Amino acid sequence: DIQMTQSPSSLSASVGDRVTITCRASQDISNYLAWYQQKPGKVPDLLIFAASTLQLGVPSRFSGSGSGTDFTLTISSLQPEDVATYYCQKYNSVLLSFGGGTKVEIK
Amino acid sequence: EVQLVESGGGLARPGGSLRLSCSASGFTFRNYAMHWVRQAPGKGLEYVSGTNSEGGGTYFADSVKGRFTISRDNSKNTLYLQMSSLRAEDMAMYYCVRDTYSYGYFDYWGQGTLVTVSS
Repeated sequence: DIQMTQSPSSLSASVGDRVTITCRASQDISNYLAWYQQKPGKVPDLLIFAASTLQLGVPSRFSGSGSGTDFTLTISSLQPEDVATYYCQKYNSVLLSFGGGTKVEIK
Repeated sequence: EVQLVESGGGLARPGGSLRLSCSASGFTFRNYAMHWVRQAPGKGLEYVSGTNSEGGGTYFADSVKGRFTISRDNSKNTLYLQMSSLRAEDMAMYYCVRDTYSYGYFDYWGQGTLVTVSS
């Protein structure tokens, strides 16, 4: 099975900072990667699919990149409403799985 | 408006069974693959099981294979998860999720139903 590893597991940054979260697949998954945002006490929301395509309604400060085994989620200017845990998810096969999550807090 | 409403959670004994249901509305249910994702208290997301739009293809995480079954009734717009031989580690919030055009990622999530496994 392909393992999805996110780093860091948590981070603290200031409002306006550029934040980068990494997701690494143990095997090539092409661009079959999605990112989700889960705010405290809420249900996850789809942010990005196909590694870099923003879901409708997602602010443009969010972006995704990568292909193969290494992927990044970037928040260009962190806002207070971005406090959440972010998860990557692979979907290159029927064996779907998530990364362990990255908790983002405001410093 | 797309709505996914889970039900059937509750308290089960170790080794017991529960059946979860997910009632869907606001979209053509029979056209979409559907899945269950769970989240243990304070933990991350874990994929559990899924089924294609017709219900003929089913998929399971290794952690539940052989103990859980998934099914759907497209005439009732309802997805099911039959859970048996429950373990303490199955205790979690179970979310019903819609698969975007059956590609494998999830554009709509229900609010979840909580499964507690305890003696």
